Amino acid sequence: EEQLVESGGGLVQPGRSLRLSCTASGFMFGDYAMSWFRQAPGKGLEWVGFIRSKVQGGTTEFGASVKGRFTISRDDFESIAYLQMKNLKTEDTAVYYCARGRYYAQHWGQGTLVTVSS
Amino acid sequence: DIVMTQSPDSLAVSLGERATINCKSSQSVLYSSNNKNYLAWYQQRSGQPPRLLISWASTRESGVPDRYTGSGSATDFSLTISRLQDEDVAVYYCQQYYSVPFTFGGGTKVEIK
Repeated sequence: EEQLVESGGGLVQPGRSLRLSCTASGFMFGDYAMSWFRQAPGKGLEWVGFIRSKVQGGTTEFGASVKGRFTISRDDFESIAYLQMKNLKTEDTAVYYCARGRYYAQHWGQGTLVTVSS
Repeated sequence: DIVMTQSPDSLAVSLGERATINCKSSQSVLYSSNNKNYLAWYQQRSGQPPRLLISWASTRESGVPDRYTGSGSATDFSLTISRLQDEDVAVYYCQQYYSVPFTFGGGTKVEIK
C-alpha cells in the first residue's frame, strides 16, 4: 500500500527556516515526481511546488509565493522528499502535504502543521 | 496564472439526489497536441487530506464510485455526484495542471439537505 508520511512541522519564528520531510513507502519512489501543497487554516488548497524524477531531470518548479525561499530535494535511496523553507513568513502558516505525482496528486500524506509566529 | 473559479461556494442536496459543481478556468486547459484537458477533481472530507477523484477532466480514479462523473472541456467543467450519500459530505476542489503555477478553485462545500 502506498504511504506518505510528512514530518518536521512545528512552531517557528518569522524569518527562520524549517525543513519538512516526506517519507514514502509502498511504491518505487524514484520513478515518480513528488509535489508539495499547503492549506492555511480554514482556507483552500495551494500548490507549493514539485520535483521531477531523476529520469525527468530532477528539476523543480514553484509557486510565486514561495519561489526563491523554498527548495525541494529528494533522496531516492531513502525514499524521502524534502521541503526546505527559508525566511518564513506568518502567511506560510499552513498544513503542508506531500503527494505523489507532478501534474495531479494521486496519493497524499496526512500533512504536517507549520505555524509561523513570534 | 490560470484562475480557477468554482460555483457554487456551497450546496445542500437531499440524500439520493444529484449534486453538480462547476469549475471555470480563465484560459483553456485543453492541450491541442494530445486533446487532453489538464484538470483534476479532489474531495476533502473534514480533517482529512484531499483525495483524487478524477484526472484528465473525466478519468475516474481507481476505487472512486461510479456515481462521480467529471465532464467538460477547454474552460468549462463539472463534477456530478449522481446519488448523494452521507459519505459524500465534503469540500470539492478542481485543479488545473496545464501550466505552472498549478492552481485550484476555491472549493465547493457539499452538505445534506
